[in-house]
Amino acid sequence: ETGVTQSPTHLIKTRGQQVTLRCSSQSGHNTVSWYQQALGQGPQFIFQYYREEENGRGNFPPRFSGLQFPNYSSELNVNALELDDSALYLCASSAGQGGETQYFGPGTRLLVL
Amino acid sequence: AQTVTQSQPEMSVQEAETVTLSCTYDTSESDYYLFWYKQPPSRQMILVIRQEAYKQQNATENRFSVNFQKAAKSFSLKISDSQLGDAAMYFCAYRAYGGSQGNLIFGKGTKLSVKP
Repeated sequence: ETGVTQSPTHLIKTRGQQVTLRCSSQSGHNTVSWYQQALGQGPQFIFQYYREEENGRGNFPPRFSGLQFPNYSSELNVNALELDDSALYLCASSAGQGGETQYFGPGTRLLVL
Repeated sequence: AQTVTQSQPEMSVQEAETVTLSCTYDTSESDYYLFWYKQPPSRQMILVIRQEAYKQQNATENRFSVNFQKAAKSFSLKISDSQLGDAAMYFCAYRAYGGSQGNLIFGKGTKLSVKP
């Protein structure tokens, strides 16, 4: 059974640029959630996708957007990057819309200069 | 809104000893899930243990057990026979029961050090 994978592992961008982060869900999981973890903080919920539809969103501006594909993999897109977007971005997958347990990938470390 | 509070930013334990990490939460819901996740320096968040609120019995996974006090909204993690590999950040998390509220709400974490 393949776990949750994310790419890239590290990324450096400059302010104003756009970035796309990718996530492959665990086998058998159809729900993907994205979290932002600032240094020294707990993860904050960005949004969740279930069967290719957004299924809940946290307190993040519209420049954070996402997609889920038919194979349940997902992308997180961030436009007009700001310095405060520097963080670890975590993807988690689960089974079903109300899937009890979320399993996390290794994360993508984004640095915005 | 639901909140999760971890009041111990850092804890330390001697190898082979027992340590308890504290977590309190606030919710008006009666059905929900609680989790403890471990995040080592490698960054990957690893599930340690899960508790369903409707279950009165405390969850146990090998050396890890919880003390779930629903009325007090308390959910502590006990690590027995601590090992060097237990050193990590530990996050307590809450999830509401039901489809459209599937996001996890995390505390700020407790950094656990294990001394040889």
